[in-house]
This record gives sequence, C-alpha cells and structure tokens, in this order.
Amino acid sequence: DTGVSQNPRHKITKRGQNVTFRCDPISEHNRLYWYRQTLGQGPEFLTYFQNEAQLEKSRLLSDRFSAERPKGSFSTLEIQRTEQGDSAMYLCASSLTQGASGYTFGSGTRLTVV
Amino acid sequence: TQLLEQSPQFLSIQEGENLTVYCNSSSVFSSLQWYRQEPGEGPVLLVTVVTGGEVKKLKRLTFQFGDARKDSSLHITAAQPGDTGLYLCAGGNTGNQFYFGTGTSLTVIP
Repeated sequence: DTGVSQNPRHKITKRGQNVTFRCDPISEHNRLYWYRQTLGQGPEFLTYFQNEAQLEKSRLLSDRFSAERPKGSFSTLEIQRTEQGDSAMYLCASSLTQGASGYTFGSGTRLTVV
Repeated sequence: TQLLEQSPQFLSIQEGENLTVYCNSSSVFSSLQWYRQEPGEGPVLLVTVVTGGEVKKLKRLTFQFGDARKDSSLHITAAQPGDTGLYLCAGGNTGNQFYFGTGTSLTVIP
C-alpha cells in the first residue's frame, strides 16, 4: 500500500482561475477527509465522505469549493474563482469507519494564488 | 474555529533536554490523537488515547489524557534533532471529524 496520494504537490495559479486537486486514499479506507492548513496553524476541517456520499461540510467550504468522490474511490477538490485567501496547504486524509484508529494523511497540495 | 489550544506555540531546546507540550480544551472528547508534521508533509499519527487518565509511552515520548478527557500532554525525554517538527493534538467524538489544535513547533538544536 502506497498510502494516501495527492496531486499535484504544488500549484501556483492566478487569482480568478479554477483549480482542481486529486486525492487517492488507502484502498480499504471508507472515509476520506479534506482539510486546509495555513502557515503556523493546525489543519481545519473542510468536508468528509463515507464511500461516495459527502456527509459533512464545514462552513469554511464556500460556494466556490466543491468536492466529489465518484465511486467511493479517489476524490477531487475544486476551487472556482480562486482568491489570495485560498492560498494554503490542502490535506487529504483517509480512515477506516472507526475514526479512533486515526487518519492517514497525504503529503498535501500547496496552493499559491498570485 | 480551533477548539483545542496548545502551548507553548514555539519551543527551541538543546539536544538531550526534556520537554512537555500541552493541549487544552473546554470540550470533552471521546478520544484524542497526537500527530507530528514535518515541513511540506502531512501529519503522521503518533498515538490515540481514549480513556480518561490514560498514559501511553512510545519510546521517549509519553502521552497522557486528562482525567476529564478535556486535555492532554506530550512529554519528550532526552530530545533529539530528529524530534524536530510540528506537534498537533486532535480531539474527536462520536461525530465524523477530529478538531486539530493550534500546534507546537519544536526545534531541537544539536
């Protein structure tokens, strides 16, 4: 098992452009999470999926953000009309249904909006 | 909203020294996890504690969950440069997400 894979590792985009990130979780993990982390802060929850169903979304996830997990496998996070405030590390994590076993995080996608 | 406060925020110590990092909340959690994160990487799970008063040891690291399950501490004995990183606590309940703390950035100087 190669763990949680995120692509791309880095993305630089101009303000107003759309970006899409991909996350491939550990294959037997039912749950997939997206977090955002800014410099010097802990990760902040954005949304999570159980299989293909998106079961919870944070208020941080504005209308410009959308996440999908077709077929309950990989997930994508799209940000439309990016703003400079969207610059952050976007982390994906997966876990078994019983969350107490902990998350396995990917290496993240570093987004810079210029 | 960060429900968990960590202290200190930054810590720089000499190799061989001991240190303690604290994680405090006004909320009760059914479980609490500690992660370590290196620059440019995702957090890596160190330990999960679920019982009030529980103590777990991982080599030179000792983790304790408060009796009331609102706080936790991480103690490192004889710190080494390889311990350098961002230490994050995360509290969870029967819900679907863990809330992460503000993080403690540790630097161990050789």
